[in-house]
Amino acid sequence: SSELTQDPAVSVALGQTVRITCQGDSLRNFYTSWYQQKPGQAPVLVIYGRNDRPSVIPDRFSVSSSGNTASLTITGAQAEDEAVYYCNSRDSSGNLLVFGGGTKLTVL
Amino acid sequence: EVQLVQSGAEVKKPGESLKISCKGSGYSFTTYWIAWVRQMPGKGLEWMGIFYPGDSDTRYSPSFQGQVTISADKSITTAYLQWNSLKASDTAMYYCARLPPGLEYFDFWGQGTLVTVSS
Repeated sequence: SSELTQDPAVSVALGQTVRITCQGDSLRNFYTSWYQQKPGQAPVLVIYGRNDRPSVIPDRFSVSSSGNTASLTITGAQAEDEAVYYCNSRDSSGNLLVFGGGTKLTVL
Repeated sequence: EVQLVQSGAEVKKPGESLKISCKGSGYSFTTYWIAWVRQMPGKGLEWMGIFYPGDSDTRYSPSFQGQVTISADKSITTAYLQWNSLKASDTAMYYCARLPPGLEYFDFWGQGTLVTVSS
């Protein structure tokens, strides 16, 4: 079982805003990173650190954090954002890495 | 340009051994960790372990300790994931990914290697 918990599925209407959450005790102490995985493709880093994006990732992706919960927000979701999103951080000991179970985002 | 290029798909029988590879290029291979990540069919990502080519420091997830061996040959900037005796439950896609030192995110990923274990 994962130390990071994500909702299995979320949906959003085209152009609307959606928040995907990741919960875990370790998130009080470590940054969370987020990955997008489309069918048949390798994961792609979307957000890391405080709120940093690789240059190829559009600025509609952002993150926030409160207590033991980190959130990935997509402002104005596009059809191409439909994918599974995984969060990642360290475990409670800080020595190991762990992924959340993934959230399947459907853009309606 | 940073690239991680993995070896091709494998089909093996239970009990056989296997070593898959991940060649890094476009960056200093010895100053970044290489991670291996498993994705079983239709399932999520699982972190297996990491290897630091600079000093061969290796760390495994408890779930994979003793089940696989992670190594690298820095002279050819290639990392490896090895099994001594495969099981049907090892059937999965395996990804390598680069991990900056001291951080917890994977900034570049290989294309994946599909391993199928079937009698």
